[in-house]
Amino acid sequence: DGGITQSPKYLFRKEGQNVTLSCEQNLNHDAMYWYRQDPGQGLRLIYYSQIVNDFQKGDIAEGYSVSREKKESFPLTVTSAQKNPTAFYLCASSPGLGTEAFFGQGTRLTVV
Amino acid sequence: EDQVTQSPEALRLQEGESSSLNCSYTVSGLRGLFWYRQDPGKGPEFLFTLYSAGEEKEKERLKATLTKKESFLHITAPKPEDSATYLCAVQAAGGSYIPTFGRGTSLIVHP
Repeated sequence: DGGITQSPKYLFRKEGQNVTLSCEQNLNHDAMYWYRQDPGQGLRLIYYSQIVNDFQKGDIAEGYSVSREKKESFPLTVTSAQKNPTAFYLCASSPGLGTEAFFGQGTRLTVV
Repeated sequence: EDQVTQSPEALRLQEGESSSLNCSYTVSGLRGLFWYRQDPGKGPEFLFTLYSAGEEKEKERLKATLTKKESFLHITAPKPEDSATYLCAVQAAGGSYIPTFGRGTSLIVHP
């Protein structure tokens, strides 16, 4: 079945540590995105990528980094510079930039 | 700055009680408007895309409509399984083409 897979589902991090969230898609989509969702807020864009080896900052990129070395994969690293990393992180892909998006099941990150 | 406002924030309905959710937007030019459904603890699921005023799309008990300033998601005779958060996202004609999401409407349908 085609889809988009995020792992892990739950992640706990100690303050000062970097963590990497995985996102893989087998939909052959060119565009991929990372969003952050906090209670009572809409989805906020962290980074997006239109093609392999290219990515752009979104509205809240500070403290995050990404790579797009393969079409299928778009990992997100939450660095120690991110002041408030506890949140629900969503990865998505779409056939073209800004078209209807298909989302993964999310990773809930908690800083302990 | 593009803005997307969804109302109400939360809505409780009895099973069979029809209602509408609203998504109002201010963009320099609309390229597309998207509706998604999100269940608790899961990623959003795509429902509809609307492109121009007057357009309507239907899926089971849901119908989405679009005007020049807002979109409505009409829910006819809802069932408890329609309970979810409904998200609206608006894509402006200029800029990066990345849609801006509203905060969503949390719908609870009681049996």
